[in-house]
Amino acid sequence: NAGVTQTPKFQVLKTGQSMTLQCAQDMNHEYMSWYRQDPGMGLRLIHYSVGAGITDQGEVPNGYNVSRSTTEDFPLRLLSAAPSQTSVYFCASTRAREETQYFGPGTRLLVL
Amino acid sequence: EDQVTQSPEALRLQEGESSSLNCSYTVSGLRGLFWYRQDPGKGPEFLFTLYSAGEEKEKERLKATLTKKESFLHITAPKPEDSATYLCAVSGTGGFKTIFGAGTRLFVKA
Repeated sequence: NAGVTQTPKFQVLKTGQSMTLQCAQDMNHEYMSWYRQDPGMGLRLIHYSVGAGITDQGEVPNGYNVSRSTTEDFPLRLLSAAPSQTSVYFCASTRAREETQYFGPGTRLLVL
Repeated sequence: EDQVTQSPEALRLQEGESSSLNCSYTVSGLRGLFWYRQDPGKGPEFLFTLYSAGEEKEKERLKATLTKKESFLHITAPKPEDSATYLCAVSGTGGFKTIFGAGTRLFVKA
């Protein structure tokens, strides 16, 4: 099993550009989440999904969109990038009714 | 409001020098308290889940304990390969969300 995979590993954007961060898992986990990690702060939940076709907002959802058309994939879209979105983004998956989260390797995003 | 505070922010130890990391939390109805290890440039890796006060779990040189207000991660005779950031997190009965602390960066010198 590859576990949770994320692409790209690193991306530089200009303010106003859009992009999609990809996340996929091959463990057949029902739950998937997106977090951002900033220096001196804990991981903060952006959006999450409890199953295909179901998504909900987390703690810091503004500026981000998600969709979940399959169990395996959970892409995160930045519609108009802002410097405040410079961060490291982590995707995680969890089996339903369990608590252990499995994290991907992260995407480092720099918005100029 | 659910909250997790970890201390110290950074900890420098000599190899073999045992110590503890602290995680203080407030949550409405604890469903679970989690410890993760994060190496530089990588995603967090699960270590332990604790569910109720008094519970303890061990893995190699690490031992996690839980009270009603805080959790400790005890590191016994650490080695340089234990150097990492250790994250504490809680989930409550209020919903899906897991709240993470900012982490403790551990440096173990040979």
